[in-house]
Amino acid sequence: GESVGLHLPTLSVQEGDNSIINCAYSNSASDYFIWYKQESGKGPQFIIDIRSNMDKRQGQRVTVLLNKTVKHLSLQIAATQPGDSAVYFCAETRGYGGATNKLIFGTGTLLAVQP
Amino acid sequence: DAGVTQSPTHLIKTRGQQVTLRCSPKSGHDTVSWYQQALGQGPQFIFQYYEEEERQRGNFPDRFSGHQFPNYSSELNVNALLLGDSALYLCASSFVEANTEAFFGQGTRLTVV
Repeated sequence: GESVGLHLPTLSVQEGDNSIINCAYSNSASDYFIWYKQESGKGPQFIIDIRSNMDKRQGQRVTVLLNKTVKHLSLQIAATQPGDSAVYFCAETRGYGGATNKLIFGTGTLLAVQP
Repeated sequence: DAGVTQSPTHLIKTRGQQVTLRCSPKSGHDTVSWYQQALGQGPQFIFQYYEEEERQRGNFPDRFSGHQFPNYSSELNVNALLLGDSALYLCASSFVEANTEAFFGQGTRLTVV
């Protein structure tokens, strides 16, 4: 079936290094891909999204790359900080009628930033 | 401007009971979606409400039902609770004209014993 998944369940990085979190998806018809950050005891927080007709999108300290050829999505975090420690989810959206679409989440990657 | 608010924060119920969870969307939002997040897993879509009607539904049994009120707030009801219903229940709100960004509440932690 269709799914969104992650390659690495846990990623440990040193403070100040760059982090790369990966995600694989199976449905080439998806419209959008979104990265969410979820801290302990909180709901998912929107980080950045990318349309299926784009390859790259940059935000503040974050970059999302989309490779449609291999159905791969990545989130790059520059100069990782302790506050970046959280679980990161990729999600895809599919929908109908132009209404807000349901999100299909992957399992998640735990990012642990070491001081 | 308050974000998405959910109540209660935590809840303990006995197997077989019924539970109602509540969600107030972010100001200006008209669409509410509910998700179930088991421990260590990603959120799973339950259903979505817009204009007081269920627009989309995930793979959840009929024991899960919902409602949206004229002020866009929403309730999630679960009947005949099972131990496996223990999870974090998340509410997300959005504006119908936006195609992606959904704002999540902090969730309701439901424990079924």
